[in-house]
Amino acid sequence: DQQVKQNSPSLSVQEGRISILNCDYTNSMFDYFLWYKKYPAEGPTFLISISSIKDKNEDGRFTVFLNKSAKHLSLHIVPSQPGDSAVYFCAASPGGNEKLTFGTGTRLTIIP
Amino acid sequence: DTGVSQDPRHKITKRGQNVTFRCDPISEHNRLYWYRQTLGQGPEFLTYFQNEAQLEKSRLLSDRFSAERPKGSFSTLEIQRTEQGDSAMYLCASEGGNEQFFGPGTRLTVL
Repeated sequence: DQQVKQNSPSLSVQEGRISILNCDYTNSMFDYFLWYKKYPAEGPTFLISISSIKDKNEDGRFTVFLNKSAKHLSLHIVPSQPGDSAVYFCAASPGGNEKLTFGTGTRLTIIP
Repeated sequence: DTGVSQDPRHKITKRGQNVTFRCDPISEHNRLYWYRQTLGQGPEFLTYFQNEAQLEKSRLLSDRFSAERPKGSFSTLEIQRTEQGDSAMYLCASEGGNEQFFGPGTRLTVL
């Protein structure tokens, strides 16, 4: 049972445009959500997180939106840069200090 | 470098052999997690420690797997009698605040 789903395995975006990555979850106990970025041969790197008490969190070019009623979150990257090309994982936990459940990832390619 | 380190980075072994991986977390972090990632999947939780206490184990962690964190610092993950299905990337993470910091992983290939 895939509790965190990323339905788009890949996404290509022109440099300078907005990248939107989507994630859906099924477990109502999840209340903390994170996005990680992964380059080949490296471990995942934390990007941004959001608690269920918020519906938006911004950090520079990265914004995460949470729609609890739809059990959906999205990561917006604007403007997209070539260095953003990587695999992005959505993750969720039932609390801030708990094991993470990851999605299957979306490979983002930024086209110069 | 004060990040999470893992050793070895790559391990090739024959089916039936035992392997052991090491993780050195960020020094002030009390929680340490092990995850496994197979091709095309996201990382899957295996187990975690609060200091030296192992607090939770996933059902993915069969009795051939054992993890320790003897002094609450580094941790080891041992796989006995390896099988081809154990081939994966094994990731370690330590937690500071609400963020888990991942190491580079150990890629295991079982022939």
